[in-house]
Amino acid sequence: KNEVEQSPQNLTAQEGEFITINCSYSVGISALHWLQQHPGGGIVSLFMLSSGKKKHGRLIATINIQEKHSSLHITASHPRDSAVYICAGTGNQFYFGTGTSLTVIP
Amino acid sequence: GAVVSQHPSRVICKSGTSVKIECRSLDFQATTMFWYRQFPKQSLMLMATSNEGSKATYEQGVEKDKFLINHASLTLSTLTVTSAHPEDSSFYICSVPGVGHYGYTFGSGTRLTVV
Repeated sequence: KNEVEQSPQNLTAQEGEFITINCSYSVGISALHWLQQHPGGGIVSLFMLSSGKKKHGRLIATINIQEKHSSLHITASHPRDSAVYICAGTGNQFYFGTGTSLTVIP
Repeated sequence: GAVVSQHPSRVICKSGTSVKIECRSLDFQATTMFWYRQFPKQSLMLMATSNEGSKATYEQGVEKDKFLINHASLTLSTLTVTSAHPEDSSFYICSVPGVGHYGYTFGSGTRLTVV
């Protein structure tokens, strides 16, 4: 069992839909990261969270430390949001989730 | 914002040869750089932590004699895959911690194919 589990593994949505990707972790971490990986491989760091909630444009990330759970929300999804979203925890070492492949259909 | 330049973006090499991948921090100093590998349809895996002026720290199972890391300056870290074999074909990417609002800045990645 991975230390960081993401769900769903694959997600297809219609343009405009509200999207939620979930991440649960079973290890102690100091920060939780959400990464976006585009089809060409490039990775962008979206959020780094240690508590609460952060918002950047149409993206919102939340974390519940007690429940060891984080969510990434995308409002008004767009085809350009199509990518793999990776949840990662950092503490004494890196713990990477296996990613959620999102496809937004026009 | 902070930028990490990674080269080459793609490389095809013959089995047995060595390949050098560079990650350069632009306009900022990077005393630490992380190197990752990603196999198709799998997530990132941390290979090693590169520290300027000292030896790299390798993760368990990563051969330090095969994956040579050099971090000779505050802006440049290199990963050399020595005596490459087809099983080394993968996507290699670097990142610098603690830069900007989002925690990490990633290079653009290098897709290595060993034939």
